[in-house]
Amino acid sequence: AQKVTQAQTEISVVEKEDVTLDCVYETRDTTYYLFWYKQPPSGELVFLIRRNSFDEQNEISGRYSWNFQKSTSSFNFTITASQVVDSAVYFCALILTGTASKLTFGTGTRLQVTL
Amino acid sequence: GAGVSQSPSNKVTEKGKDVELRCDPISGHTALYWYRQSLGQGLEFLIYFQGNSAPDKSGLPSDRFSAERTGGSVSTLTIQRTQQEDSAVYLCASSLGGLRDFSYEQYFGPGTRLTVT
Repeated sequence: AQKVTQAQTEISVVEKEDVTLDCVYETRDTTYYLFWYKQPPSGELVFLIRRNSFDEQNEISGRYSWNFQKSTSSFNFTITASQVVDSAVYFCALILTGTASKLTFGTGTRLQVTL
Repeated sequence: GAGVSQSPSNKVTEKGKDVELRCDPISGHTALYWYRQSLGQGLEFLIYFQGNSAPDKSGLPSDRFSAERTGGSVSTLTIQRTQQEDSAVYLCASSLGGLRDFSYEQYFGPGTRLTVT
């Protein structure tokens, strides 16, 4: 069975600081997708990024960047120059492409950005 | 276009009563998922529908939980004889599904907050 671990339960930073959210996954399958979702206080899960297990290229989107390393089974998420609007719970998740059924989620990291 | 919608947004019920939660997926999405988000349990998978295939019910926590999907579109999650531990936010998601789906991206609805008193 697959597993996703987000060891950081809660992180507090001051606006403009950089912050990295850790995600470690376990699976015996070789084909899978990894995701990051954001859940703001409103509650709705918002898709941020998807990464195929065969694509280890890092990705940058504005202030967001993702570092995927299969050697350490990690898919970490960095927010540069954090803003108050980044305050949310962030979930890392994994889906096996063979079954394409359920997303396995980590327990989430609550990010609090203050002025 | 319209996203995934769920109703009601909030539901308060007494222990022992039955409840029905509804999900309207994105038009054209053949795959539909139910998840539950509760304190201490995180986000857990409940059930998955893909087209006309038999649903994957492996995540349903007990036989008090059931779900159906009529006409390949709207889905209803039913909880019978509710217990206090059923209190949670129930999230529905849909995806393109099938052989056309190379993204596996699931689009989530706003959820139904269920409180069992």
